[in-house]
Amino acid sequence: DVKVTQSSRYLVKRTGEKVFLECVQDMDHENMFWYRQDPGLGLRLIYFSYDVKMKEKGDIPEGYSVSREKKERFSLILESASTNQTSMYLCASSLGQGKRETQYFGPGTRLLVL
Amino acid sequence: QQQVKQSPQSLIVQKGGISIINCAYENTAFDYFPWYQQFPGKGPALLIAIRPDVSEKKEGRFTISFNKSAKQFSLHIMDSQPGDSATYFCAWGGSQGNLIFGKGTKLSVKP
Repeated sequence: DVKVTQSSRYLVKRTGEKVFLECVQDMDHENMFWYRQDPGLGLRLIYFSYDVKMKEKGDIPEGYSVSREKKERFSLILESASTNQTSMYLCASSLGQGKRETQYFGPGTRLLVL
Repeated sequence: QQQVKQSPQSLIVQKGGISIINCAYENTAFDYFPWYQQFPGKGPALLIAIRPDVSEKKEGRFTISFNKSAKQFSLHIMDSQPGDSATYFCAWGGSQGNLIFGKGTKLSVKP
Protein backbone atom coordinates (compact mmCIF):
# COMPACT_ATOMS: atom_id res chain seq x y z
CA ASP A 1 0.00 0.00 0.00
CA VAL A 2 1.11 3.51 -0.75
CA LYS A 3 1.73 5.45 2.38
CA VAL A 4 1.93 9.22 2.61
CA THR A 5 2.78 10.51 6.04
CA GLN A 6 2.67 14.05 7.34
CA SER A 7 4.82 15.09 10.26
CA SER A 8 2.06 16.49 12.44
CA ARG A 9 -1.69 16.05 12.69
CA TYR A 10 -2.18 19.32 14.59
CA LEU A 11 -0.03 22.41 14.90
CA VAL A 12 -0.53 25.69 16.73
CA LYS A 13 1.74 28.57 15.75
CA ARG A 14 1.92 32.29 16.35
CA THR A 15 1.65 35.00 13.72
CA GLY A 16 5.04 35.68 12.16
CA GLU A 17 6.55 32.30 12.98
CA LYS A 18 8.23 30.23 10.29
CA VAL A 19 6.38 26.96 9.89
CA PHE A 20 7.57 23.74 8.28
CA LEU A 21 5.15 21.03 7.21
CA GLU A 22 6.80 17.79 6.21
CA CYS A 23 5.49 15.06 3.93
CA VAL A 24 7.06 11.70 3.15
CA GLN A 25 5.92 9.04 0.67
CA ASP A 26 7.24 5.51 0.51
CA MET A 27 6.38 4.46 -3.05
CA ASP A 28 9.10 6.15 -5.08
CA HIS A 29 6.57 8.49 -6.67
CA GLU A 30 7.82 11.25 -8.94
CA ASN A 31 5.03 13.76 -8.27
CA MET A 32 4.19 15.35 -4.97
CA PHE A 33 1.59 17.99 -4.14
CA TRP A 34 0.56 20.35 -1.38
CA TYR A 35 -3.07 21.44 -1.02
CA ARG A 36 -4.98 23.41 1.50
CA GLN A 37 -8.55 22.50 2.34
CA ASP A 38 -11.05 25.04 3.64
CA PRO A 39 -14.81 24.61 4.18
CA GLY A 40 -16.73 25.59 1.07
CA LEU A 41 -13.57 26.07 -0.98
CA GLY A 42 -12.57 22.47 -1.53
CA LEU A 43 -8.98 21.51 -2.23
CA ARG A 44 -6.74 24.20 -3.63
CA LEU A 45 -3.31 23.43 -4.99
CA ILE A 46 -0.47 25.41 -3.43
CA TYR A 47 2.61 23.87 -5.09
CA PHE A 48 3.57 20.67 -6.77
CA SER A 49 6.80 18.99 -7.72
CA TYR A 50 7.42 16.50 -10.50
CA ASP A 51 11.05 15.81 -9.68
CA VAL A 52 13.68 16.42 -7.06
CA LYS A 53 14.52 20.11 -6.77
CA MET A 54 11.73 20.96 -9.24
CA LYS A 55 8.63 22.87 -8.25
CA GLU A 56 5.65 24.44 -9.91
CA LYS A 57 3.23 27.00 -8.52
CA GLY A 58 -0.33 25.94 -8.06
CA ASP A 59 -3.36 28.18 -7.73
CA ILE A 60 -2.51 29.81 -4.39
CA PRO A 61 1.28 29.93 -3.87
CA GLU A 62 1.42 33.35 -2.20
CA GLY A 63 2.87 33.18 1.30
CA TYR A 64 4.24 29.67 0.81
CA SER A 65 7.40 28.06 -0.47
CA VAL A 66 8.41 24.43 -0.90
CA SER A 67 11.50 22.28 -0.81
CA ARG A 68 12.18 18.92 -2.36
CA GLU A 69 15.75 17.82 -1.72
CA LYS A 70 14.98 14.10 -1.78
CA LYS A 71 12.48 12.23 -3.90
CA GLU A 72 10.45 10.93 -0.99
CA ARG A 73 10.17 14.19 0.94
CA PHE A 74 8.30 17.38 0.09
CA SER A 75 8.21 20.24 2.56
CA LEU A 76 5.82 23.17 2.70
CA ILE A 77 7.16 26.32 4.32
CA LEU A 78 5.21 29.26 5.64
CA GLU A 79 7.86 31.95 5.84
CA SER A 80 5.87 34.18 8.18
CA ALA A 81 2.63 32.58 9.30
CA SER A 82 -0.52 34.66 9.22
CA THR A 83 -3.98 33.99 10.62
CA ASN A 84 -5.42 33.55 7.13
CA GLN A 85 -3.17 30.52 6.73
CA THR A 86 -5.12 28.66 9.39
CA SER A 87 -6.30 25.64 7.46
CA MET A 88 -6.05 21.92 6.81
CA TYR A 89 -2.97 21.10 4.74
CA LEU A 90 -2.92 17.95 2.67
CA CYS A 91 0.04 16.36 0.95
CA ALA A 92 -0.34 13.92 -1.95
CA SER A 93 1.84 11.94 -4.31
CA SER A 94 1.41 10.20 -7.65
CA LEU A 95 3.49 7.92 -9.80
CA GLY A 96 4.44 10.56 -12.35
CA GLN A 97 4.11 8.60 -15.57
CA GLY A 98 1.08 10.23 -17.12
CA LYS A 99 -1.86 12.51 -16.76
CA ARG A 100 -4.45 10.03 -15.57
CA GLU A 101 -2.98 9.08 -12.26
CA THR A 102 -4.31 8.43 -8.82
CA GLN A 103 -3.14 10.84 -6.18
CA TYR A 104 -2.51 9.34 -2.75
CA PHE A 105 -3.15 11.66 0.14
CA GLY A 106 -1.76 11.89 3.63
CA PRO A 107 -4.06 12.36 6.64
CA GLY A 108 -3.55 16.11 6.73
CA THR A 109 -2.12 18.66 9.15
CA ARG A 110 -4.55 21.02 10.80
CA LEU A 111 -2.72 24.29 11.37
CA LEU A 112 -3.98 27.01 13.66
CA VAL A 113 -2.19 30.38 13.50
CA LEU A 114 -2.90 32.63 16.46
CA GLN B 1 -8.13 29.63 -13.69
CA GLN B 2 -9.92 26.50 -14.79
CA GLN B 3 -12.77 25.41 -12.56
CA VAL B 4 -14.95 22.47 -11.81
CA LYS B 5 -18.41 23.48 -10.60
CA GLN B 6 -19.79 20.94 -8.16
CA SER B 7 -23.29 20.72 -6.72
CA PRO B 8 -24.93 20.40 -4.31
CA GLN B 9 -22.71 21.62 -1.48
CA SER B 10 -24.46 19.26 0.95
CA LEU B 11 -26.85 16.38 0.55
CA ILE B 12 -28.98 14.38 2.98
CA VAL B 13 -30.30 11.04 1.79
CA GLN B 14 -32.22 8.28 3.52
CA LYS B 15 -30.64 4.86 3.78
CA GLY B 16 -31.39 2.93 0.62
CA GLY B 17 -31.90 6.04 -1.47
CA ILE B 18 -29.91 7.33 -4.45
CA SER B 19 -27.32 10.06 -3.94
CA ILE B 20 -26.51 12.20 -6.98
CA ILE B 21 -23.68 14.70 -7.19
CA ASN B 22 -23.06 16.77 -10.31
CA CYS B 23 -20.02 18.48 -11.75
CA ALA B 24 -19.56 20.75 -14.75
CA TYR B 25 -16.22 21.53 -16.31
CA GLU B 26 -14.98 24.16 -18.74
CA ASN B 27 -12.10 22.84 -20.74
CA THR B 28 -12.76 20.05 -23.20
CA ALA B 29 -9.05 19.33 -23.59
CA PHE B 30 -8.83 17.25 -20.45
CA ASP B 31 -9.52 13.58 -20.47
CA TYR B 32 -9.55 12.25 -16.96
CA PHE B 33 -12.36 12.75 -14.46
CA PRO B 34 -11.92 11.13 -11.04
CA TRP B 35 -14.04 11.23 -7.92
CA TYR B 36 -12.43 11.27 -4.49
CA GLN B 37 -14.05 10.32 -1.19
CA GLN B 38 -12.97 11.80 2.13
CA PHE B 39 -14.00 10.56 5.56
CA PRO B 40 -13.62 12.84 8.59
CA GLY B 41 -10.05 12.95 9.84
CA LYS B 42 -8.69 11.29 6.70
CA GLY B 43 -7.21 12.46 3.45
CA PRO B 44 -9.21 12.02 0.24
CA ALA B 45 -8.95 8.70 -1.58
CA LEU B 46 -9.78 7.80 -5.17
CA LEU B 47 -13.26 6.31 -5.44
CA ILE B 48 -13.82 5.92 -9.17
CA ALA B 49 -12.62 7.61 -12.36
CA ILE B 50 -13.78 7.91 -15.98
CA ARG B 51 -12.38 8.92 -19.33
CA PRO B 52 -14.62 10.82 -21.76
CA ASP B 53 -14.52 8.09 -24.38
CA VAL B 54 -17.10 6.19 -22.31
CA SER B 55 -20.46 7.52 -21.14
CA GLU B 56 -20.76 5.49 -17.96
CA LYS B 57 -18.63 3.51 -15.55
CA LYS B 58 -19.96 1.41 -12.72
CA GLU B 59 -18.16 -0.03 -9.73
CA GLY B 60 -20.45 -1.71 -7.27
CA ARG B 61 -23.00 0.82 -6.04
CA PHE B 62 -21.05 3.75 -7.50
CA THR B 63 -21.61 4.95 -11.07
CA ILE B 64 -20.12 7.85 -13.01
CA SER B 65 -22.18 9.20 -15.88
CA PHE B 66 -20.44 11.41 -18.40
CA ASN B 67 -22.13 13.83 -20.82
CA LYS B 68 -19.46 15.20 -23.09
CA SER B 69 -21.72 17.53 -25.06
CA ALA B 70 -23.00 19.15 -21.87
CA LYS B 71 -19.55 19.09 -20.27
CA GLN B 72 -20.99 17.47 -17.18
CA PHE B 73 -20.32 14.34 -15.16
CA SER B 74 -22.19 12.90 -12.23
CA LEU B 75 -21.67 10.45 -9.41
CA HIS B 76 -24.59 8.23 -8.50
CA ILE B 77 -24.55 6.19 -5.29
CA MET B 78 -27.21 3.52 -5.38
CA ASP B 79 -28.67 2.02 -2.20
CA SER B 80 -26.88 4.66 -0.13
CA GLN B 81 -25.64 3.48 3.27
CA PRO B 82 -24.67 5.39 6.44
CA GLY B 83 -21.09 4.27 5.79
CA ASP B 84 -21.16 6.33 2.58
CA SER B 85 -21.42 9.51 4.66
CA ALA B 86 -18.38 11.49 3.59
CA THR B 87 -17.30 14.43 1.50
CA TYR B 88 -17.06 13.77 -2.23
CA PHE B 89 -14.89 15.71 -4.64
CA CYS B 90 -14.99 15.61 -8.39
CA ALA B 91 -11.86 16.56 -10.27
CA TRP B 92 -10.32 16.68 -13.68
CA GLY B 93 -6.81 16.04 -14.78
CA GLY B 94 -4.52 18.91 -15.62
CA SER B 95 -1.80 18.79 -18.24
CA GLN B 96 1.06 18.16 -15.78
CA GLY B 97 -0.47 15.36 -13.76
CA ASN B 98 -2.10 17.76 -11.35
CA LEU B 99 -5.82 17.68 -10.54
CA ILE B 100 -8.36 20.49 -10.38
CA PHE B 101 -10.89 19.74 -7.64
CA GLY B 102 -14.47 20.82 -7.15
CA LYS B 103 -15.48 22.38 -3.86
CA GLY B 104 -16.89 19.18 -2.46
CA THR B 105 -20.26 17.74 -1.46
CA LYS B 106 -20.89 16.64 2.09
CA LEU B 107 -23.14 13.61 2.00
CA SER B 108 -25.06 12.43 5.04
CA VAL B 109 -26.98 9.18 4.81
CA LYS B 110 -29.60 8.86 7.53
CA PRO B 111 -30.39 5.41 8.94
